[in-house]
Amino acid sequence: GAGVSQTPSNKVTEKGKYVELRCDPISGHTALYWYRQSLGQGPEFLIYFQGTGAADDSGLPNDRFFAVRPEGSVSTLKIQRTERGDSAVYLCASSSTGTGGKTDTQYFGPGTRLTVL
Amino acid sequence: AQSVTQLDSQVPVFEEAPVELRCNYSSSVSVYLFWYVQYPNQGLQLLLKYLSGSTLVKGINGFEAEFNKSQTSFHLRKPSVHISDTAEYFCAVSNTGRRALTFGSGTRLQVQP
Repeated sequence: GAGVSQTPSNKVTEKGKYVELRCDPISGHTALYWYRQSLGQGPEFLIYFQGTGAADDSGLPNDRFFAVRPEGSVSTLKIQRTERGDSAVYLCASSSTGTGGKTDTQYFGPGTRLTVL
Repeated sequence: AQSVTQLDSQVPVFEEAPVELRCNYSSSVSVYLFWYVQYPNQGLQLLLKYLSGSTLVKGINGFEAEFNKSQTSFHLRKPSVHISDTAEYFCAVSNTGRRALTFGSGTRLQVQP
């Protein structure tokens, strides 16, 4: 079946602009995660949704970053007043469930490369 | 808080030689451990995971890893590598209280002919 998809694959914007990054998880997956991967680093957690609600947003760096998942499927990561330091690859992952005693495999999308000029 | 350390940023190895990629973690609670691989211009793909039970875990593409609780390690091994194994490898940890993965900084495996 289809994997996690992310659009756009590349986004170039100017400092101070607003951007939206979209994630389509694997159909039926209730848990959705956003990560950010800077050059030469491992992915860093941003936010985790269980259904429509943000179960853990402790990784969001500041209030310029916001994410929604209104219908429990597609999610949008929104960045206001972008800064050059926001340049990174933004990764989305989904898993079949985030509840229970054991964790489920997170399946990653190809990412959106954001460049802030 | 939990953290992952991958001491080797790059590991060059000749084709058909064995390889070990090191991963150490720090956590105050029981952990789940993962290895992901990232091929050039592709997304992260799960190689293997340890949730509980046998400490020796076998994954895809001939890779295996051993969970060592006393040494807080989860090293990845392959007895004979191929050119196609050239990629970035990430170790990651999560736990029952926090679903999000904490990743190490990655190890670039460079397989030379």
